[in-house]
Amino acid sequence: NAGVMQNPRHLVRRRGQEARLRCSPMKGHSHVYWYRQLPEEGLKFMVYLQKENIIDESGMPKERFSAEFPKEGPSILRIQQVVRGDSAAYFCASSPPLGTGNTIYFGEGSWLTVV
Amino acid sequence: GESVGLHLPTLSVQEGDNSIINCAYSNSASDYFIWYKQESGKGPQFIIDIRSNMDKRQGQRVTVLLNKTVKHLSLQIAATQPGDSAVYFCAERGSGNTGKLIFGQGTTLQVKP
Repeated sequence: NAGVMQNPRHLVRRRGQEARLRCSPMKGHSHVYWYRQLPEEGLKFMVYLQKENIIDESGMPKERFSAEFPKEGPSILRIQQVVRGDSAAYFCASSPPLGTGNTIYFGEGSWLTVV
Repeated sequence: GESVGLHLPTLSVQEGDNSIINCAYSNSASDYFIWYKQESGKGPQFIIDIRSNMDKRQGQRVTVLLNKTVKHLSLQIAATQPGDSAVYFCAERGSGNTGKLIFGQGTTLQVKP
């Protein structure tokens, strides 16, 4: 977990509001991943990004969700018009450029509660 | 489709005993596997990994075994301690440097003093 920084750790939003979750990867890591975890479930892949590029967004809902990893600054996962079903823990992970066996390290998560 | 599953939702062991947590995966093309430990309210913590060209790898008190023939992965924890109590997830990564991990549902390890 060391080094992958996520904020906020806890976020409460009313239905219809926007949620922005931020992730700073470990130093030297250029690849970022976002996962979602519902209570009592495993982590589900959402999106994989490199600097300024979305590599794989096959796990992202088609609407309301977007992610970016700009040249400067943290990666942002944005959820527009949140609904109660968006309540979950959102984990960011990072890795160096991929080769075989490059470990992916996770942050401590951002817990989103939609009321 | 791809899926990774764990055989038992909860495993209860006595402190000092060895623990074995099992995992089955379905994608024979997966080339990399990781075990993570997750404590309540925290993110997944890397424990140990193994590439598909290996069948065993050892760490400190932990061993991962990979059987590609039956697509089975296991995590062995020696001399289990109360601090090992957590949910354990196996994850697989497909070939081709996708970076995407497929997680199983998790096994809760309870260590009894």
